[in-house]
Amino acid sequence: QSALTQPASVSGSPGQSITISCTGTSSDVGSYNLVSWYQLHPGKAPKLMIYDNTKRPSGVSNRFSGSKSGNTASLTISGLQAEDEADYYCCSYAGSSTLVFGGGTELTVV
Amino acid sequence: QVQLVQSGAEVKKPGASVKVSCKASGYTFTDYYMHWVRQAPGQGLEWMGWINPNNGGTKYAQNFQGWVTMTRDTSISTAYMELSRLTSDDTAVYYCARDFGGYDFWSGYFDYWGQGTLVTVSS
Repeated sequence: QSALTQPASVSGSPGQSITISCTGTSSDVGSYNLVSWYQLHPGKAPKLMIYDNTKRPSGVSNRFSGSKSGNTASLTISGLQAEDEADYYCCSYAGSSTLVFGGGTELTVV
Repeated sequence: QVQLVQSGAEVKKPGASVKVSCKASGYTFTDYYMHWVRQAPGQGLEWMGWINPNNGGTKYAQNFQGWVTMTRDTSISTAYMELSRLTSDDTAVYYCARDFGGYDFWSGYFDYWGQGTLVTVSS
């Protein structure tokens, strides 16, 4: 199972919007609407930001949104804030009750 | 409140095995699947597999089949992950993570994570 492909890094200024892509294959992202996104701050537990491609868990800001088209899922953060600076990982269902992560994207708020 | 508390850091020699524990509290342990995820230094997250604490059923990622074993002890609400035949490539932080589903429903999402256990493999 190969890792999903994410850009290594993205950056944006406060108030701007950024989008992080997550490209898989027809065996994972393309076949299921079961993509999630996690936010990792150094020294803190990962946080679930998006699940089922587009849903936000309770307590997650509506500045975070998810989408999917074909084999590519995307996470968009609007109204960028300094606290959004973190690593972001996508994760997809890959069939047979297995999962696969993306390689991770480092978001810098400049 | 939900808590997952993992065992402490380990240093192992190549070829050895390591067993990491994850003690759950604040919820009914057998109601939620438990996953294991690792992160090697400077690398991304890697999903290892899951265990159903209710019946002990497991599913391992293809990369780990044959050398990872996930078990649980329901009497003490603790899940375990044992990795054998360690190499330097297994140096990583290992996390347990509770499945978001609940009530014996597998969702494939993680809502609570342990604090992580650093396993260092070095001769």
